Amino acid sequence: QQQVKQSPQSLIVQKGGIPIINCAYENTAFDYFPWYQQFPGKGPALLIAIRPDVSEKKEGRFTISFNKSAKQFSLHIMDSQPGDSATYFCAATLRGGGADGLTFGKGTHLIIQP
Amino acid sequence: EAGVTQSPTHLIKTRGQQVTLRCSPISGHTSVYWYQQALGLGLQFLLWYDEGEERNRGNFPPRFSGRQFPNYSSELNVNALELEDSALYLCASSIRGGSPLHFGNGTRLTVT
Repeated sequence: QQQVKQSPQSLIVQKGGIPIINCAYENTAFDYFPWYQQFPGKGPALLIAIRPDVSEKKEGRFTISFNKSAKQFSLHIMDSQPGDSATYFCAATLRGGGADGLTFGKGTHLIIQP
Repeated sequence: EAGVTQSPTHLIKTRGQQVTLRCSPISGHTSVYWYQQALGLGLQFLLWYDEGEERNRGNFPPRFSGRQFPNYSSELNVNALELEDSALYLCASSIRGGSPLHFGNGTRLTVT
């Protein structure tokens, strides 16, 4: 079964700190790795995504680091703010979307304390 | 551009009843996915529809079913509701077979 393992399950960081969320995958055919951000009462929203031909991608304060040989990728949030408090999901899929859309990690509940 | 819309936003049903949830994808998107988000379990894939046909389903019993209409909107039906069906049901759409998925805000189903 295709799996994406995400850790930690929950994380508390002080404002300005750099929370790091890690994910590991099994299927080497995966070729698209998005991160979704979900606020309470809302659906997940695409935050940033990476393909395995690059090792790092930055968008604003959010950075994905990708290690193809280790089959791992991580999300870093620079200068974190209380407004970043949300649940974050990593995901993976095959080229063209795959037969079941995205395979998600179980999520990380992030709290940024003022 | 309007996003993915789902209705209703909240629903309370009794065990054994049936429920229908609705989803309208983003204009131009032909694929619709349904996910169940139960507390502590993350997002579990339910169903994928594209061009009016069911393309794949996740590890859920047959009482979870659905369909996609010619305008690409979709319904999710759940029969013989059980308490453990209480969850947020999310619909997402994409260009056929493509990424990324765009999610709606979900329907919160409570089964009592």
